[in-house]
Amino acid sequence: GDSVTQMEGPVTLSEEAFLTINCTYTATGYPSLFWYVQYPGEGLQLLLKATKADDKGSNKGFEATYRKETTSFHLEKGSVQVSDSAVYFCALRPSGTYKYIFGTGTRLKVLA
Amino acid sequence: NAGVTQTPKFRVLKTGQSMTLLCAQDMNHEYMYWYRQDPGMGLRLIHYSVGEGTTAKGEVPDGYNVSRLKKQNFLLGLESAAPSQTSVYFCASSPDRVQETQYFGPGTRLLVL
Repeated sequence: GDSVTQMEGPVTLSEEAFLTINCTYTATGYPSLFWYVQYPGEGLQLLLKATKADDKGSNKGFEATYRKETTSFHLEKGSVQVSDSAVYFCALRPSGTYKYIFGTGTRLKVLA
Repeated sequence: NAGVTQTPKFRVLKTGQSMTLLCAQDMNHEYMYWYRQDPGMGLRLIHYSVGEGTTAKGEVPDGYNVSRLKKQNFLLGLESAAPSQTSVYFCASSPDRVQETQYFGPGTRLLVL
């Protein structure tokens, strides 16, 4: 079945370091791909999305590119801030369905 | 525009008690979902609805029931709570357009003793 695999955390970085959080997926057809962020005590918020192969989603300095050939959607940011500390979820919505499938989440901690 | 709201924010139950979690959205979305979030498990879909009066089972439906009598509300019921249902519950909604994202509520933290 469809699934999402993302790197386990926690990931601890110093401020201004480069961030990569890996996400790979298994799905038939052309799913839509999403990254969500969850701050402590809050619900998930959409960070960025991509809906077709080679699309790049971007928001708040974060980027991810939909790679059909490697079935990946890795999240990157060039210079992280303390305020980026949160849990990040990769998710997909299989084409033609109402459901969303989430990865297990990766906790990011950024130190000043 | 409040988005997605959930009631209550926190609740403690004893084993065997019942309760209903309420989710409301004011975005006129067709689809609504209930998830539970447990450490190391990500989000798991409990039940979902694709429109008023319709519901369907998700990945982990046992021990839960749902109703969608009005388009804006999606209720999650626990008839006889068990300690295994201790979790954080999130409601979400989305429009019925392809490639659209979900909008999440702030969550309900439930502790079953």
